[in-house]
Amino acid sequence: AQSVTQLDSHVSVSEGTPVLLRCNYSSSYSPSLFWYVQHPNKGLQLLLKYTSAATLVKGINGFEAEFKKSETSFHLTKPSAHMSDAAEYFCVVSSYGYNKLIFGAGTRLAVHP
Amino acid sequence: GAVVSQHPSRVICKSGTSVKIECRSLDFQATTMFWYRQFPKQSLMLMATSNEGSKATYEQGVEKDKFLINHASLTLSTLTVTSAHPEDSSFYICSAREGGFNQPQHFGDGTRLSIL
Repeated sequence: AQSVTQLDSHVSVSEGTPVLLRCNYSSSYSPSLFWYVQHPNKGLQLLLKYTSAATLVKGINGFEAEFKKSETSFHLTKPSAHMSDAAEYFCVVSSYGYNKLIFGAGTRLAVHP
Repeated sequence: GAVVSQHPSRVICKSGTSVKIECRSLDFQATTMFWYRQFPKQSLMLMATSNEGSKATYEQGVEKDKFLINHASLTLSTLTVTSAHPEDSSFYICSAREGGFNQPQHFGDGTRLSIL
């Protein structure tokens, strides 16, 4: 069975400070993991993906995530938040034998001046 | 690369009307396309999965006759909401994927459907 838990429904940071969005997953097989961002009234944009290569994955807009199998985690980080990073972020898992994505509930990131 | 175009972006129409939403992969061949529905402040809910030339696979609780899906080519899928009613008002998002489960889905910008 697959599942995704995003540990924070809301995260608020000041501009220029680090961002940490937490995600834990459960998967019967070796998973593929993704982070997507959704701005209001828009579709989802792929930030980065992990597909069993390097455990530290770099994505767009300065985001990166580290796959930790022992902790079943795939947390998203960014060293310095920008106002434009304010959005909804989804952690997503897929694995062999499943033709569909399993979404976390989402984390709303607010960035304050 | 990996651009998915979804049209229209917004539809407002009267109850009883049928509405068609198009989803196109512009620069890749989409072996599989997906249709989602998103309620306010919630995650995406998968409605159906379609492979080119095959009948769509609907998720439990999604009415096949209400939400008609056609995946006529490797770059085009359509969702038709038949005889739409106010409870069908929602944000509908399509996605497309080239390859297997370990490949990402690429999403359109969504369609805001409002039924009066």
